[in-house]
Amino acid sequence: AQSVTQLDSHVSVSEGTPVLLRCNYSSSYSPSLFWYVQHPNKGLQLLLKYTSAATLVKGINGFEAEFKKSETSFHLTKPSAHMSDAAEYFCVVRGGGGSGGSYIPTFGRGTSLIVHP
Amino acid sequence: EAGVAQSPRYKIIEKRQSVAFWCNPISGHATLYWYQQILGQGPKLLIQFQNNGVVDDSQLPKDRFSAERLKGVDSTLKIQPAKLEDSAVYLCASTGTNTGELFFGEGSRLTVL
Repeated sequence: AQSVTQLDSHVSVSEGTPVLLRCNYSSSYSPSLFWYVQHPNKGLQLLLKYTSAATLVKGINGFEAEFKKSETSFHLTKPSAHMSDAAEYFCVVRGGGGSGGSYIPTFGRGTSLIVHP
Repeated sequence: EAGVAQSPRYKIIEKRQSVAFWCNPISGHATLYWYQQILGQGPKLLIQFQNNGVVDDSQLPKDRFSAERLKGVDSTLKIQPAKLEDSAVYLCASTGTNTGELFFGEGSRLTVL
């Protein structure tokens, strides 16, 4: 079965400092991976996705993530945090079906990003 | 392009009452999902539809939850009777691409007293 582990439930940074949100996954040899952001009382919005093209993926609002197959990781980074980045972030894995893992997108538990002025 | 529409946004009921949530996906999206998001947790899949057929409902508590997508477009999720632990946000999502990118509605927040 596929799974996602977000290693930190909360990450606290100061405005202007780098952000690192960690995600490890378990799935097939060719999973699709996503990061979504959820602001309070809002729906989930796609930040970026990896679908077997370039391993370094750039998303919206300056975020990027790197797919590392050897480490089964897909960590989310941003060089400089902004107050508006404060939100809940979810890592999601979707396998290739059959022995390649479930087609059903599976969510991690989420990481709450706190940004201090 | 219109996004995924959900209603109602908020609902408060007492335990043992019933409630229904409605979702209209993005036009042309064949796949529709209902997720349950309990406070402090990630979304958990309840049911997946492909057009008007059920693909996966293995985590749907079928003794109290039901869902339908009769014409392969909009969908309704019903809970009857509700329990306290059903308090959550119910998220509807749709996808029409092979990459599995989900497009979410804003969710329906249920409070069971």
